[in-house]
Amino acid sequence: DTEVTQTPKHLVMGMTNKKSLKCEQHMGHRAMYWYKQKAKKPPELMFVYSYEKLSINESVPSRFSPECPNSSLLNLHLHALQPEDSALYLCASSQEVGGGTGELFFGEGSRLTVL
Amino acid sequence: QKEVEQNSGPLSVPEGAIASLNCTYSDRVSQSFFWYRQYSGKSPELIMSIYSNGDKEDGRFTAQLNKASQYVSLLIRDSQPSDSATYLCAVRATGQGNLIFGKGTKLSVKP
Repeated sequence: DTEVTQTPKHLVMGMTNKKSLKCEQHMGHRAMYWYKQKAKKPPELMFVYSYEKLSINESVPSRFSPECPNSSLLNLHLHALQPEDSALYLCASSQEVGGGTGELFFGEGSRLTVL
Repeated sequence: QKEVEQNSGPLSVPEGAIASLNCTYSDRVSQSFFWYRQYSGKSPELIMSIYSNGDKEDGRFTAQLNKASQYVSLLIRDSQPSDSATYLCAVRATGQGNLIFGKGTKLSVKP
């Protein structure tokens, strides 16, 4: 069983909607990540949080807004998305950015469909 | 641009055979290497990590690392139909925590 929990597992939204994806981990990890994965493609990094501070933003459009309320929680707020944003959104965590084993543990993902 | 290259396959092996998956990477100073298994429609699952040159074995899986050749591989012994999945090679970005993924190799194990 994954120790990274993502909700919702499936989300359908219109281009004018506002929604949020949520992620929670209880492994005591201090680094959390959002990746986006399109069909038959590898995961692409979106954001990295280290000790609750945004450390990497991979030039993601502002319609995606990350938030890290505490060391266990990571949110991704969605607004005015486009159909091409439909994808599997993966949350992951690791011990630290730049330290520890470097192993990333993924949640089950949130499959987003934008109509 | 740091890159991780994999043969996309598909790689087809008969049940019970050894499956060999290969990966090369461009960043010579990379120190941490990972193999993830991803079933269709599911999220990536970590199956092996390797940090030093040589072989690392875990059950039916063996990871091999050659830093001089910038090459990492995964061997799956006694392949089972349940091993059919896409295998992602990943390299930790130097000085950062995120992983750079290869495009993945799709493995099919035929009964």
